[in-house]
Amino acid sequence: DAGVIQSPRHEVTEMGQEVTLRCKPISGHDYLFWYRQTMMRGLELLIYFNNNVPIDDSGMPEDRFSAKMPNASFSTLKIQPSEPRDSAVYFCASSSQGRSYNEQFFGPGTRLTVL
Amino acid sequence: AQRVTQPEKLLSVFKGAPVELKCNYSYSGSPELFWYVQYSRQRLQLLLRHISRESIKGFTADLNKGETSFHLKKPFAQEEDSAMYYCALSYSGNTGKLIFGQGTTLQVKP
Repeated sequence: DAGVIQSPRHEVTEMGQEVTLRCKPISGHDYLFWYRQTMMRGLELLIYFNNNVPIDDSGMPEDRFSAKMPNASFSTLKIQPSEPRDSAVYFCASSSQGRSYNEQFFGPGTRLTVL
Repeated sequence: AQRVTQPEKLLSVFKGAPVELKCNYSYSGSPELFWYVQYSRQRLQLLLRHISRESIKGFTADLNKGETSFHLKKPFAQEEDSAMYYCALSYSGNTGKLIFGQGTTLQVKP
């Protein structure tokens, strides 16, 4: 298994543009998490899904952010419109309730720069 | 609210010196505590969890409920220990949701 896969690895865009980040969790995992990492705030949980259903989106900063999980093998995090303060590294992670209790497996991250 | 605090953004030590990365949490129930590590150009990964009471790469961490702490320790630091370390708290039963601290960068100098 290649682990959690994220794309793109780097994204540079201009303020006001729409950004879509993608994640493929580890096969068989039933939890998927989206995090944002910044120097100032560290690692923040944005939203997480269980069996493709959003469970807690209280970390989503504002309405410009949205996330979907149309099936067990794919999730997207969308920012529309993007702003310079959204510049960060965005991580996706997955886990399985049935194994390795609470261990989350992280993807390589997407480094987003909004100019 | 549940919170994890790592008071040091950067900890710099010489090779062979003891290391202690501090972690304090706020939670009134029975927490699950974890340390995750991110080496340069690698993914964030689990280092150890308190429930396992294990030593990984020479690191140990003891949960102190009285002081609400879960400090990570190693008696003799190695250069390859240089990385970003995150302390994390789980409190939602089996949902697996984690609350992370802000992270501490450990720099081990030769």
